[in-house]
Amino acid sequence: DIVMTQSPDSLAVSLGERATINCKSSQSVLYSSNNKNYLAWYQQKPGQPPKLLIYWASTRESGVPDRFSGSGSGTDFTLTISSLQAEDVAVYHCQQHFSIPFTFGPGTKVDIK
Amino acid sequence: QVQLVQSGAEVKKPGASVKVSCKASGYTFATYTIHWVRQAPGQRLEWMGWINAGNGDTKYSGVFQGRVTITRDTSASTAYMELNSLRSEDTALYYCARTHSSSNSYTSLDIWGRGTMVSVTS
Repeated sequence: DIVMTQSPDSLAVSLGERATINCKSSQSVLYSSNNKNYLAWYQQKPGQPPKLLIYWASTRESGVPDRFSGSGSGTDFTLTISSLQAEDVAVYHCQQHFSIPFTFGPGTKVDIK
Repeated sequence: QVQLVQSGAEVKKPGASVKVSCKASGYTFATYTIHWVRQAPGQRLEWMGWINAGNGDTKYSGVFQGRVTITRDTSASTAYMELNSLRSEDTALYYCARTHSSSNSYTSLDIWGRGTMVSVTS
């Protein structure tokens, strides 16, 4: 199974400042035949299901604010919130959908400093 | 609008079975794959398996092999997840979710149900 790790476990950022979350997979999730990274990012607020933010590692889901961006390839990925807003307080999860079983990272909690 | 509506909370005794439903609306049910993901208290999201709602093909996580069965009823636009031989560690919020792409089961999950809480307690 592909093991997903995230860092940090939690972070507190001032409003308007940048938040950066890292995700690492134990094996590459880059599919060579289509050059796509099978990596997604989700946001989960208390009492709500996860919400898809980023797919194929860097494509923003429709309706997601452009302050959210994803980058990386192979085994190392980053989610960046360029200017943190109050409504961004949540837990962020990465997920690989390259091989079964699909696996998730442990989550990173983002708070306001 | 596109949505997945799940059945209500369940309380079960150890050794029992539970069957959770997930009714789809707002899209053509048979053209997407439905996944099941659970979240135990304080734990990471855990993928359980999927069903291709069109042809009924399933795949399961090895962690649940033999204990979980995912089915669907296309006439009711509903998917089901049944988990047997319940133990206390199965206490969790169970989500169904739809694949982002209608032509590929190996994609991210764009539509999620609100979750069904299953509590296993003696």
